[in-house]
Amino acid sequence: QKEVEQNSGPLSVPEGAIASLNCTYSDRGSQSFFWYRQYSGKSPELIMSIYSNGDKEDGRFTAQLNKASQYVSLLIRDSQPSDSATYLCAVKRTAGNKLTFGGGTRVLVKP
Amino acid sequence: DTGVSQNPRHKITKRGQNVTFRCDPISEHNRLYWYRQTLGQGPEFLTYFQNEAQLEKSRLLSDRFSAERPKGSFSTLEIQRTEQGDSAMYLCASSLMDRESYGYTFGSGTRLTVV
Repeated sequence: QKEVEQNSGPLSVPEGAIASLNCTYSDRGSQSFFWYRQYSGKSPELIMSIYSNGDKEDGRFTAQLNKASQYVSLLIRDSQPSDSATYLCAVKRTAGNKLTFGGGTRVLVKP
Repeated sequence: DTGVSQNPRHKITKRGQNVTFRCDPISEHNRLYWYRQTLGQGPEFLTYFQNEAQLEKSRLLSDRFSAERPKGSFSTLEIQRTEQGDSAMYLCASSLMDRESYGYTFGSGTRLTVV
């Protein structure tokens, strides 16, 4: 079992719709969770971080965390063609300092 | 500050040759990370430094790989006797220990092609 799992996609959504991305993790000791966006050929850039159960909103992005279910998600509202990218879920355990990344979900927003 | 800088951007080398990459982190960041990413995969952790100390190395990091961060500033990643399987994007990231809620800042990466 991979430490961080994501559906590779592609997730195709029409412009203006909500894109919903999911991520599960195996280590119950994980405490910090991050979503990164990566455009083709570019490096990852941080979108959001979340630490507590519940929702966290930032603009068109909402991160949701459920530690009991070991599940974190990202919602992108009013999806734009510029949101087309690969979204990487990353988790950080209490012990150690590295981020462990999932394989990423490719999102395609169609005009 | 111009962010995390990596050089070179691209490197093509023949199998068996040695290569070295450089990473200059954001100046006030005391943690520096190396990751490797292949097409269609997420970044895989290789190693990380806190100041000049190398605190963790991945099992993925064979004895052909070595990393240094002299004086806690820039870092180098060397791959000896390169193999075709080493072809990947090598990403460097940095962070400030007390502000990791901001996540890591990644450099643009060095794309290695072993022919």
